[in-house]
Amino acid sequence: QVQLQESGPGLVKPSGTLSLTCAVSGGSISSSNWWSWVRQPPGKGLEWIGEIYHSGSTNYNPSLKSRVTISVDKSKNQFSLKLSSVTAADTAVYYCARDSLTRDMTAFDIWGQGTMVTVSS
Amino acid sequence: SSELTQDPAVSVALGQTVRITCQGDSLRSYYASWYQQKPGQAPVLVIYGKNNRPSGIPDRFSGSSSGNTASLTITGAQAEDEADYYCNSRDSSGNHYVVFGGGTKLTVL
Repeated sequence: QVQLQESGPGLVKPSGTLSLTCAVSGGSISSSNWWSWVRQPPGKGLEWIGEIYHSGSTNYNPSLKSRVTISVDKSKNQFSLKLSSVTAADTAVYYCARDSLTRDMTAFDIWGQGTMVTVSS
Repeated sequence: SSELTQDPAVSVALGQTVRITCQGDSLRSYYASWYQQKPGQAPVLVIYGKNNRPSGIPDRFSGSSSGNTASLTITGAQAEDEADYYCNSRDSSGNHYVVFGGGTKLTVL
């Protein structure tokens, strides 16, 4: 079955760029799914960051759009997140997830285990 | 509208039935999906679409929708159902982005 695994630095300096990768195993990133990043600050709820399709099409959360870039590497079967100009407010557990989107629903059916990223000097 | 509203906390007696709701204009166009999250764990999809359960999700979980409100019902709540529950859907204004509700903390008494 498809599994997702996040990787990247657990500590990022303020004003720096957060970079994470999500490796897809057990299936192809070129399947008919969108691939998302979701984050969760400590003790708070889930916040959708953005998504990508294997074609490279992207959608972003309007509140983060100016700082977010999501890309896909089909040769490595993975997708990546870059979040620039980070502050302490970006400290969170970051999840990657697969979205089985249809005409009338969006359903994140597979999630990575999550990776904690702390923004601190 | 891009907001989904959930009650912050709900409680239920062991073995009783509880309904968790999610309100938002986008739910007039999209079905909500529901996720269960236990402390220190990733969210797990429990209901999607009109009323579908992924493999492995007990049949005591069900979903429904009316107008701008989606509901997750747990019939015969168990101690292991104590968790945070989140709804999500797509924004219906044509911007194609995903929205999550603020989450509901379910306590099983």
